[in-house]
Amino acid sequence: GQSLEQPSEVTAVEGAIVQINCTYQTSGFYGLSWYQQHDGGAPTFLSYNGLDGLEETGRFSSFLSRSDSYGYLLLQELQMKDSASYFCAVLGGGYNKLIFGAGTRLAVHP
Amino acid sequence: EPEVTQTPSHQVTQMGQEVILRCVPISNHLYFYWYRQILGQKVEFLVSFYNNEISEKSEIFDDQFSVERPDGSNFTLKIRSTKLEDSAMYFCASRGRADSNQPQHFGDGTRLSIL
Repeated sequence: GQSLEQPSEVTAVEGAIVQINCTYQTSGFYGLSWYQQHDGGAPTFLSYNGLDGLEETGRFSSFLSRSDSYGYLLLQELQMKDSASYFCAVLGGGYNKLIFGAGTRLAVHP
Repeated sequence: EPEVTQTPSHQVTQMGQEVILRCVPISNHLYFYWYRQILGQKVEFLVSFYNNEISEKSEIFDDQFSVERPDGSNFTLKIRSTKLEDSAMYFCASRGRADSNQPQHFGDGTRLSIL
């Protein structure tokens, strides 16, 4: 089977840095993705890691360690608009279906 | 920027009725997906579609569900006889190539409410 674990909630203040961790167990692994979802909205792609290491995209970075079955999303210079749910998702299957974690709700306060 | 569009945004239906959820994927994309999200829960994979056939489906995607690409632009999800537990947000997604680093792009979803 496949399962992903991530914290249910994280709280931070504007301007701070927050790290959202994700551990996974999968029968086949093709990469770890991160998606952002605002309440009532669509999941929006943030980042993908297929290989070990750090990927940086603006204020967001994502890290993967395949040997540890672990990854994280790092959000820097937090803004109020970053308040949302963040999902890690593994790619599985030949046509790369996404298997999502339960999501981490990030609340950014002034 | 091209986007995935879904209609309707909200569908209210009596239990036992058939519903069709519609999606227009990004025009040059080849891989299509349906996901659902029950309120407050995670996004769950339903089905993937490529080359005019289902490539994979989950346990959720039972005989009451079907998908179709009736023309070159639309991708539909049909639920034949809806149940109360089908109430959820349904997301369509598409991607261009099979490369694993190609992201899936999601539509804004259809909120399905079964009464």
